[in-house]
Formats: sequence, C-alpha cells, structure tokens
Amino acid sequence: QLQLQESGPGLVKPSETPSLTCTVSGGSISSSSYYWGWIRQPPGKGLEWIGSIYYSGSTYYNPSLKSRVTISVDTSKNQFSLKLSSVTAADTAVYYCARLGWNPLYYIDVWGKGTTVTVSS
Amino acid sequence: EIVLTQSPGTLSFSPGERATLSCRASQSVSSSYLAWYQQKPGQAPRLLIYGASSRATGIPDRFSGRGSGTDFTLTISRLEPEDFAVYYCQQYGSSPQTFGQGTKLEIK
Repeated sequence: QLQLQESGPGLVKPSETPSLTCTVSGGSISSSSYYWGWIRQPPGKGLEWIGSIYYSGSTYYNPSLKSRVTISVDTSKNQFSLKLSSVTAADTAVYYCARLGWNPLYYIDVWGKGTTVTVSS
Repeated sequence: EIVLTQSPGTLSFSPGERATLSCRASQSVSSSYLAWYQQKPGQAPRLLIYGASSRATGIPDRFSGRGSGTDFTLTISRLEPEDFAVYYCQQYGSSPQTFGQGTKLEIK
C-alpha cells in the first residue's frame, strides 16, 4: 500500500528557507502514471495547492507562490522535496505531500499525514 | 484563478438525515474536473468524489456527487456518525487548482 511521509524542521525563523521532504514507500516515485505534489493548510483554514512535480523533474507551481517555491525529486531515494524561501508567519501551516494523477493538475488520491511548519522568531 | 465558494460554512443535521453540500465556481470548471474531500480533525483530507460524480475507491455509496459548469453538489443520503467532518471541493481543470473554503457538517 502506497504511503507518503513528510519530514521537516518544525519551527523556523522568519526569512529562512526551510526544506521539507516526502518519502514514498510501497510504490515507485518513477511511475509514469503520477505527479507528486505539495498542499498546505494554515491553522483553521482551507487548503492551498503549492505545486506538482513529475519524476522527470518537470514542475508546475501555484503562481501565487512561484517566486519562492522550489520542488525537486530524487528518484534514487524515492523522495521529493519542497523549499520555500523568505518565509513569514503567513507560511505557518500543515504541509501535506500527495500523489496526483497523470496531470500536474489533478485530484489527490493519496495524502501524507502532514507536517507542521511554524514560522516564529 | 477559479474561486470556489462553499456555503453555508456550517450545516447541522441529525444522523440518518440527508445532507446536500454546495460548491459554486466563479467560472466554468472544465470537463467537470471537480473533486470532493472529507477531513476530520488532525487528519489529512480523504478523497470522496472525482470528476464531479465518480466515487473514489472504498467510498460508501451513500456519498454521491453531481453538477457541471459552475454548480456542484455533494449529497450524503443517510448520515452516519462518522460523516460529521469538514468537506472541501477542489477544481483541477484550470491552473492553479483551487479548493473551496470548506463546509463543516456538525451534529444537530
């Protein structure tokens, strides 16, 4: 059964560039059938798509975050990662990694449990 | 960007009742690329419906979705205690894919 597990720093200071990693188990990130993505949810609020990546490295970002986001993939480790630069308190959220379908814009059928990132000095 | 509006923000029902949740898009959602998710406190969302009306694997048939264009609904035919949660719609037909702000289904 496919499982996704996020890992990250937990607490970061404003202006830093935290990195989050999603480890995929029970399946290959190199499958030609899927994109992989990041979605976040601020406390008590709704969901926001951050971006998606294919195993080849093709990326698609939310325009509202594009200038600060980098998503990368490491097929040898079956992982993909998110870097978010110049963070502020507004970036405090639960960050989910997820499996999408054959298109970078797609519904999400597998979610990680989420990792909380808190931005505070 | 397509804005999805879910109203009302909270709905109150009793177990056994029928609930219909609404999701309205600011522009037409292409190819009915609309999904519904259920989220319980402290958990990740769970996919219920995709393509506006197709149930995801393992989802009970009391959940059904319909709609096209700008108006979509999720119906739960007979509410079970475990159905009380927050429900989100998502459109994935246009970039950026966007989510509604959610409807909380609470026990009356």
